[in-house]
Amino acid sequence: GENVEQHPSTLSVQEGDSAVIKCTYSDSASNYFPWYKQELGKRPQLIIDIRSNVGEKKDQRIAVTLNKTAKHFSLHITETQPEDSAVYFCAASLNEKLTFGTGTRLTIIP
Amino acid sequence: DSGVTQTPKHLITATGQRVTLRCSPRSGDLSVYWYQQSLDQGLQFLIQYYNGEERAKGNILERFSAQQFPDLHSELNLSSLELGDSALYFCASSVNPGGAYEQYFGPGTRLTVT
Repeated sequence: GENVEQHPSTLSVQEGDSAVIKCTYSDSASNYFPWYKQELGKRPQLIIDIRSNVGEKKDQRIAVTLNKTAKHFSLHITETQPEDSAVYFCAASLNEKLTFGTGTRLTIIP
Repeated sequence: DSGVTQTPKHLITATGQRVTLRCSPRSGDLSVYWYQQSLDQGLQFLIQYYNGEERAKGNILERFSAQQFPDLHSELNLSSLELGDSALYFCASSVNPGGAYEQYFGPGTRLTVT
């Protein structure tokens, strides 16, 4: 099956700076890569996703890049704000199953 | 609000007992997925149903079972409960089957086994 590794496990950045979270996956057949944001005690919320036929996707302050050759994808958050503080999960889809990374706890320092 | 509903919100029960968690997908979604989130294990995929049929299975224990009914709501049954089954259980739904479509999560059911 698929294996997804996510780094770092915790990340603190100053408000206004950028944050980058990286994930690698093991199976080159994986074709869909969503990112979820989960606030404490809440549901995971889909914030952005990318498919294997696309290299980059942006949505306002959030962007995701995919390198199929290296089998890694990254989440970039620019101009971070206090409300960006949460746990972020990456995931990879293979054979109709989503495999999640272990999460990154992002803290924005005012 | 994602449009996915789950009941109950919290459940406290004893070891050896059986519980049923319920999920209603977003209007128009035919697929339902169940996930377990433990403190130290992240989000683990359990099982997926599409239009009433089992579509994919993850690391679901034999003590756990699920089904999707004709009105598309789904139930996850957990039996012979153990302390280690304490976790947040999420369901998610999507329009199409397979993991390669946007999945929207419900608010979760927090299960505590004592």
